[in-house]
Amino acid sequence: QKEVEQNSGPLSVPEGAIASLNCTYSDRGSQSFFWYRQYSGKSPELIMFIYSNGDKEDGRFTAQLNKASQYVSLLIRDSQPSDSATYLCAVNRGAGNMLTFGGGTRLMVKP
Amino acid sequence: NAGVTQTPKFRILKIGQSMTLQCAQDMNHNYMYWYRQDPGMGLKLIYYSVGAGITDKGEVPNGYNVSRSTTEDFPLRLELAAPSQTSVYFCASRRTGLDGYTFGSGTRLTVV
Repeated sequence: QKEVEQNSGPLSVPEGAIASLNCTYSDRGSQSFFWYRQYSGKSPELIMFIYSNGDKEDGRFTAQLNKASQYVSLLIRDSQPSDSATYLCAVNRGAGNMLTFGGGTRLMVKP
Repeated sequence: NAGVTQTPKFRILKIGQSMTLQCAQDMNHNYMYWYRQDPGMGLKLIYYSVGAGITDKGEVPNGYNVSRSTTEDFPLRLELAAPSQTSVYFCASRRTGLDGYTFGSGTRLTVV
């Protein structure tokens, strides 16, 4: 089992729809969780982080964390073509010295 | 405030050559990291540092070396380059062990 797993996609949604991106992790000691967006040929950029169970909203983005199920998700409301990118889930494991990244989910938003 | 600066942006090496990838941050972050990203793949940790004078291996350290003589700089040394080291290399930093990373713009390395 990979430490952080994501469906590689592509996930295709129409413009204006809600995109739902999912991530599972294996280490129950994980403390903080991050979502990064990476455009093709660019470096990852942080869009959301969450530490506590429940939902956290920031504009069109909502991160959801369920530690009992070891599951973290990212919802993007009113998806735009500019949201088309690869979304990386990252988890702060154990001692917290480094992030472990999933393989990423490629999102395509069609006009 | 430049953030995390990586140089060079692109480099082509011949098999057996050596080079140093530079990484500097101006945010006074203690934690610094080197990752590689192969096409269509996630990020794999090469080396990391939790402060000046302290470095540790990540998931894929073979063929690489690092040093951390100052808080600002964290160079990555490739010795005897091999085609398997063809990748995009990202340097990242963060203030504490609970924060997210700030990434540099990356170095695209090709070994031929």
